[in-house]
Formats: sequence, C-alpha cells, structure tokens
Amino acid sequence: SQTIHQWPATLVQPVGSPLSLECTVEGTSNPNLYWYRQAAGRGLQLLFYSVGIGQISSEVPQNLSASRPQDRQFILSSKKLLLSDSGFYLCAWSVQSGANVLTFGAGSRLTVL
Amino acid sequence: AQSVSQHNHHVILSEAASLELGCNYSYGGTVNLFWYVQYPGQHLQLLLKYFSGDPLVKGIKGFEAEFIKSKFSFNLRKPSVQWSDTAEYFCAVNAYTGFQKLVFGTGTRLLVSP
Repeated sequence: SQTIHQWPATLVQPVGSPLSLECTVEGTSNPNLYWYRQAAGRGLQLLFYSVGIGQISSEVPQNLSASRPQDRQFILSSKKLLLSDSGFYLCAWSVQSGANVLTFGAGSRLTVL
Repeated sequence: AQSVSQHNHHVILSEAASLELGCNYSYGGTVNLFWYVQYPGQHLQLLLKYFSGDPLVKGIKGFEAEFIKSKFSFNLRKPSVQWSDTAEYFCAVNAYTGFQKLVFGTGTRLLVSP
C-alpha cells in the first residue's frame, strides 16, 4: 500500500533562516505531488505541484520554492523565512491518470519567530 | 479559475441533530467534487467524491452529498450526527481544464456536543 511521509512534524525557525520540508511517497511510481498550506479560516491553498522529476509549477508568488529531485521526493524550501510563512504545510500525492483523489501527509507545522 | 465557497465557517450541533454543510463552486464545465475531513490530530482524509452518474453519493460514516449541477452545489449531509463527527470539513473541486488541480474551500469547523 502507498504511504506518504512528511518531516519534520513541527519546526520553529527565526525570521531570515532557511527552510527545508521534506515529503516522500512509498508504494507508487510517477505520482503527482503537491504542497498545500493550511491557514485558519483560509482553507487549503495550493502552493506547488509536480508531474515529474524536476517539473515544478507554482500557483502563487511567494517566498517559497519547491523541488523534486527524485520521483517520490518533494521538498519545500526557503532561503530566508518571513513571519508570514508560518503555517501548516501539507504534502499530498495522486496518481497521474484519472481524476484527482489526493492522499495527504500528516503535515508540518512551521512557526517563524 | 475555479473557486469553492463554504458558507458555514463554524457549526455547532447536538448529537442526533441533522447536518447540512453548504458548498458552491464556480466553473461551468465538467468537474469532480470532493469532501475531505480532518478529525482532531489526524490526517486530512477523503470523505466522499463525485465523478459522474448518480448525483447523490454516499461516503464513509453515514455521510452523503448531492451534486446539483444547476445550482453549482455539492452539499454534505448526515441525518444524525455523533460526537465523533467533530472535525473540520473541506469541500474541493477539480475542474477538467489543463492540469487537474484540486481547489479547496475555506473549511467548516463542526462541533458536536454530547
């Protein structure tokens, strides 16, 4: 069966520091991968998605970037964190074909101080 | 671009009360529709989905949703809620345009009091 892992689960970082959140999927090949941010009262905002290695699409302009160095690995990064980057980040995957049924990871809670 | 509106941000019910959470989307073409649920401390998980066919779809734990194309709606219902239904519920739409991205509503927090 397929599983999705995210780490770290919780992170507290100072303003201006770098960020790296990792997500890996097991038990499937060539998945679509997604990064969402969940903010109270704002639902889930799609940040990035990827259909393959090295292929990243950004949904909103921001201080973050994403990379997909391997088929089942998706990384969310920042060179210098802002206070507004605080939030709950969710990684998700779906199969390439057919309708999008997303499976989500447990999430990473980022607090920028 | 498609968007999803959930009009109820917070709902408080007593056990055994009936539930209906509203969801409207904006897209005139073919869509797939979803309800996801996030129980306290747990992953976001799929509750039910609509792809085609019978517009009344049934999901886990006694939930159902009805797709009304003329109203661009996909409301979630449950005849009798339980304390364990306390969670946050998200409606989502996936439009058949280019890459199929899932767009979520802002969510509805449901609190069921015993």
